[in-house]
Amino acid sequence: AQRVTQPEKLLSVFKGAPVELKCNYSYSGSPELFWYVQYSRQRLQLLLRHISRESIKGFTADLNKGETSFHLKKPFAQEEDSAMYYCALNGGAGNNRKLIWGLGTSLAVNP
Amino acid sequence: NAGVMQNPRHLVRRRGQEARLRCSPMKGHSHVYWYRQLPEEGLKFMVYLQKENIIDESGMPKERFSAEFPKEGPSILRIQQVVRGDSAAYFCASSPPWAGNTGELFFGEGSRLTVL
Repeated sequence: AQRVTQPEKLLSVFKGAPVELKCNYSYSGSPELFWYVQYSRQRLQLLLRHISRESIKGFTADLNKGETSFHLKKPFAQEEDSAMYYCALNGGAGNNRKLIWGLGTSLAVNP
Repeated sequence: NAGVMQNPRHLVRRRGQEARLRCSPMKGHSHVYWYRQLPEEGLKFMVYLQKENIIDESGMPKERFSAEFPKEGPSILRIQQVVRGDSAAYFCASSPPWAGNTGELFFGEGSRLTVL
């Protein structure tokens, strides 16, 4: 079955500390994975996609097929990183973005 | 570009009534998706539409739910004879039509349906 698991509902760190938001997936094919973020009173927006292997706002995420993971990391958290983070897996084909979502992790960065 | 626009933002219906949720995609986007978020659950895919076509409705409940994206006008998600279990946040997202797009979905702010 296609599934995305984010084991932490809430993660609280201090400013400047490293942060890792966990994401594990279950998918039989070659996965296409995303991290979306929702800041307070804003709409859901794309943060990262694994195929681009980019760093956005200091965040990176590496796809580990052996561990079926796509953890989101940042070496030094900032207060403005406080938000809800969702990991998503593309379960569709072609242009179909039939995303399968984790339940999300609420990140709180404390001063 | 105003972004994906959804209305109404909040809708209250009594059991048995109909709910209509509207979504205008971003300018130039011809692909529309509807997702539903039930209380304490994650987002769940409902339907993927292109102009005048339903491409994938595998996430739609078999009864009472329908979606359309006409040639002109917004996409509409219609729920007939609503029940309390339909109370949820309904999100619309759009993406551009060109092949090899980045895979990014652009989301609206959601429509929150409450069934009394």
